[in-house]
Amino acid sequence: TQLLEQSPQFLSIQEGENLTVYCNSSSVFSSLQWYRQEPGEGPVLLVTVVTGGEVKKLKRLTFQFGDARKDSSLHITAAQPGDTGLYLCAGEVGGGSNYKLTFGKGTLLTVNP
Amino acid sequence: ETGVTQTPRHLVMGMTNKKSLKCEQHLGHNAMYWYKQSAKKPLELMFVYNFKEQTENNSVPSRFSPECPNSSHLFLHLHTLQPEDSALYLCASSQVQVGTSSYEQYFGPGTRLTVT
Repeated sequence: TQLLEQSPQFLSIQEGENLTVYCNSSSVFSSLQWYRQEPGEGPVLLVTVVTGGEVKKLKRLTFQFGDARKDSSLHITAAQPGDTGLYLCAGEVGGGSNYKLTFGKGTLLTVNP
Repeated sequence: ETGVTQTPRHLVMGMTNKKSLKCEQHLGHNAMYWYKQSAKKPLELMFVYNFKEQTENNSVPSRFSPECPNSSHLFLHLHTLQPEDSALYLCASSQVQVGTSSYEQYFGPGTRLTVT
């Protein structure tokens, strides 16, 4: 069983601050996805990282996949109240009928105005 | 309708009731999934359907019964549930392609189920 540990579990910051959340595992993943889930809604895909060491940017969000493809981080610059939500990472292994997607418990981010 | 829709959005049922959750995807995807999201637990994959065939049953109790009549619709039939089954049930779809390793999930808004 592949386990994904996300930290911190909860994070409350002021608007304009920077933050980093982490997703760690002892398992190797073929790729890793980040989602954001707002209250009352399903998760929405933010990004997929595939290559070890890969860095992807989405406006103020920067995603990094570890060189060994076991961990990832999400950095938010100048956080805004609209960034509030549950951030989930999910690691993929296998393909076709052997495909498995494992989620972490998430980091609940609150950005206060 | 666009994306993935789920009905009902909220459901309260007794332990002896029978109910069904419905999911419909309007994305032309060929795979659909049921997930359970409970407080303080990771999202749990329950069932996977690829090309309408069930390819994964993640040790889910038989009181949950999935049905996939076509590639756009997915049901979860519920009967004699327990209070610990109360959770947010999420449906998702993806496009499974040979030769790719990333199956990005598109989620519906979920059904908030309370078992009394």
